[in-house]
Amino acid sequence: DTGVSQDPRHKITKRGQNVTFRCDPISEHNRLYWYRQTLGQGPEFLTYFQNEAQLEKSRLLSDRFSAERPKGSFSTLEIQRTEQGDSAMYLCASSPPVIETEKLFFGSGTQLSVL
Amino acid sequence: AQSVAQPEDQVNVAEGNPLTVKCTYSVSGNPYLFWYVQYPNRGLQFLLKYITGDNLVKGSYGFEAEFNKSQTSFHLKKPSALVSDSALYFCAVRDRYGGATNKLIFGTGTLLAVQP
Repeated sequence: DTGVSQDPRHKITKRGQNVTFRCDPISEHNRLYWYRQTLGQGPEFLTYFQNEAQLEKSRLLSDRFSAERPKGSFSTLEIQRTEQGDSAMYLCASSPPVIETEKLFFGSGTQLSVL
Repeated sequence: AQSVAQPEDQVNVAEGNPLTVKCTYSVSGNPYLFWYVQYPNRGLQFLLKYITGDNLVKGSYGFEAEFNKSQTSFHLKKPSALVSDSALYFCAVRDRYGGATNKLIFGTGTLLAVQP
């Protein structure tokens, strides 16, 4: 079963450091989403890619955050100059081109702790 | 703005009893509603969706949800709870104004605890 894969599972970093997370979606899925989830809250949308194009970015995504999806395959999310408030679970999800499925497939997430 | 609310942080139920996890929505126009489940150390998994049609929607693992337009609710139900159903459940609505994004807006989640 080749589901959505995220790496690393856990990341501990010091405030001010840069971190990068990777997401490998299901291979035939052209739609890719990043969400952030904090304790006691539901996932919050960060950004969306259709193929390699980044079509939407949330206001939650400050200038310190950048996401890429070169060649429309895997995606990376980078956080520069991390702050303690960035500590959260970062979730990646993908979905196939057929819009009628309306179903997102989520990875297990990357848990970020900023000390 | 479109949103969903889950009024209960936690629901406790005994194994074998029926369970209900509540969700209410606030949307403009016809809602696209979803339930996802999150098990410990695993990603969210799709349970079911309501787009149009029958108000009672059947999903995975024996779960179903009832869409009630007059009460703006989309409660998740199961006739007989299992201990293995214990998990975090999220209600979500599709952002109809998101253009091509079709992103989901999630509730805060309800922890379901099924006692043996």
